[in-house]
Formats: sequence, C-alpha cells, structure tokens
Amino acid sequence: GQNIDQPTEMTATEGAIVQINCTYQTSGFNGLFWYQQHAGEAPTFLSYNVLDGLEEKGRFSSFLSRSKGYSYLLLKELQMKDSASYLCAVRDHGGGATNKLIFGTGTLLAVQP
Amino acid sequence: GAVVSQHPSRVICKSGTSVKIECRSLDFQATTMFWYRQFPKQSLMLMATSNEGSKATYEQGVEKDKFLINHASLTLSTLTVTSAHPEDSSFYICSAGLTGQAAFGSGTRLTVV
Repeated sequence: GQNIDQPTEMTATEGAIVQINCTYQTSGFNGLFWYQQHAGEAPTFLSYNVLDGLEEKGRFSSFLSRSKGYSYLLLKELQMKDSASYLCAVRDHGGGATNKLIFGTGTLLAVQP
Repeated sequence: GAVVSQHPSRVICKSGTSVKIECRSLDFQATTMFWYRQFPKQSLMLMATSNEGSKATYEQGVEKDKFLINHASLTLSTLTVTSAHPEDSSFYICSAGLTGQAAFGSGTRLTVV
C-alpha cells in the first residue's frame, strides 16, 4: 500500500524560510510532486523530483532522497500570499502499466506578519 | 501546457438525485483521467482511474455502482454520483496527464441537501 505523511499545520513569519517535510512508502515510486492549493481551488504545480537531490525554482526548492523515502519543500522569502496548503504527491506505478498520483495528508501553512 | 476543464464548478442537489460532473482535456488527448474527492481540511483522495474505452479502476472502499465513471472519448470523462446523500457532499476534482505534471480541473463543489 501507500503511506505519505506530512505535518498537518505550520506557521512561519513573513520574509523567513520554512521547510515542509514529506515521508513516503510506496510500492512503485516513479517521481514526487509538490503542489500548492488555496481553499476551494485546484492544486497548482510547484516542483517535481524523480532523482535524488535538490531542484530549485525561484523561491521554491524541493529535495528528494529515494533511499530514505523523504522529501522536503523549502520556501524562501515568505510572503503572505504563500499561506496555503502544500501537498506532497507520489507518482506510483504500483507494479502495473498505469501511474497514479497519490497525495499526502497536506500541510496548511500560515504566514504571519 | 495541458489544460483540463471541469464542469459544473458548483452544484446543489436534493438527496436521492444523481449529479454528473464532466472533465475535459482541452488541448491534448487523455487515455487516462483520475477522479479525486476532497473533504474540508483534508487532502485529495484518489477515487478511481478513468480509462478511455474500458472500465474504470476504483480504489479500495469506493463504490463503483454509486460513482459511475464513463470515459467515452479521448477528451471527456464523466463522474456521476448516483442517489446522492448529504455525506457525498465534497469537492470533486479530476486530473489528466502524468508524463510531466498532472493538469487539474478547477473542481466541483457538490452540496447534497
């Protein structure tokens, strides 16, 4: 089966840096995604990791360690608009031909002035 | 990039009636689409994988006779919630395209009264 865990809530200060962790256990790992979701809206793509290491994209970076089943999303220079839910999602082929995107529990980030 | 259109965005229905939600890929062909359900303050839960021209694959615990999925063309998948009850009230969202990042529909807020 699949198990993807994230902290439920986090609070950070405007201008600061925050790291959101994600641990996963899947049978057919085929990549890890991070999405941002504002309430009542569809998720928006932030980053994608399939190999170990750090991927940087502007204020957002994502890290992956496949051997540890671990990823984190790093947000720098936090802005109030970054207050949202951050979803870790694993693409899992499950041993079959079809890849499925399985979401973690999500982390609600509150950025305070 | 890939664009997915989902309709309706909001629907209110009476208990016992059926509701159909459409998911269309606008600029690409999707042999596979995915349907998710999201309850308040929770993450996206995969309900089923919609396969063009064949039966959908349902996740464990999802009633296939209650959530009917039809994927009759390469650009359209529909989810019909049959005999809806208040506990079916939720945010339903579809996605397609997993070669890179998944494209998500804008979601449907279903309220059963």
